[in-house]
Amino acid sequence: AQSVTQPDIHITVSEGASLELRCNYSYGATPYLFWYVQSPGQGLQLLLKYFSGDTLVQGIKGFEAEFKRSQSSFNLRKPSVHWSDAAEYFCAVGEAIQGAQKLVFGQGTRLTINP
Amino acid sequence: GAGVSQSPSNKVTEKGKDVELRCDPISGHTALYWYRQSLGQGLEFLIYFQGNSAPDKSGLPSDRFSAERTGGSVSTLTIQRTQQEDSAVYLCASSRFKGSYEQYFGPGTRLTVT
Repeated sequence: AQSVTQPDIHITVSEGASLELRCNYSYGATPYLFWYVQSPGQGLQLLLKYFSGDTLVQGIKGFEAEFKRSQSSFNLRKPSVHWSDAAEYFCAVGEAIQGAQKLVFGQGTRLTINP
Repeated sequence: GAGVSQSPSNKVTEKGKDVELRCDPISGHTALYWYRQSLGQGLEFLIYFQGNSAPDKSGLPSDRFSAERTGGSVSTLTIQRTQQEDSAVYLCASSRFKGSYEQYFGPGTRLTVT
């Protein structure tokens, strides 16, 4: 079974600082990788995805992520965070089921922004 | 266009009662997924529908949980004889078709069993 590890449960950064959220996955083949964001009381919003090709992928809200096969990692980055980025971030890998994909999520990283 | 909607947004029920949670997927999306988000277990897959068929029920935690989908659209997740450990946020997602890997999530139903 696939698994996803997000080593950091909680991260605090200052507004305007750079951000990197870590994600490591366990998967035998080429993975389908995702980052989702969840604001308090909200559902999950897709930030970006990696299926194949260019290992640096751009997403919404100024986020990017880099797939590194040798490290089994898919870290999320943002050059300069805004107070509105405070939320919980989930990394996920798609696991094939009956021709579709279920998402296997990491435990999430809660991001706090200091003014 | 309209996103995935879920109702109710919050549900408080007494232990032992049955509850029904509803999901309306994005119009035209044929694949529908249910997930559960709880403090102890994080986000976990429950069940997947392609059309009205559920080819993968592997994530349902017990036989008290069941789900159906009618008309290739609305889905209902039913929990019978609720227990306190069922307290969680139940999230629904849909995708255009089963091979489409982008899933769009609803806001969830927060279930509290007292």
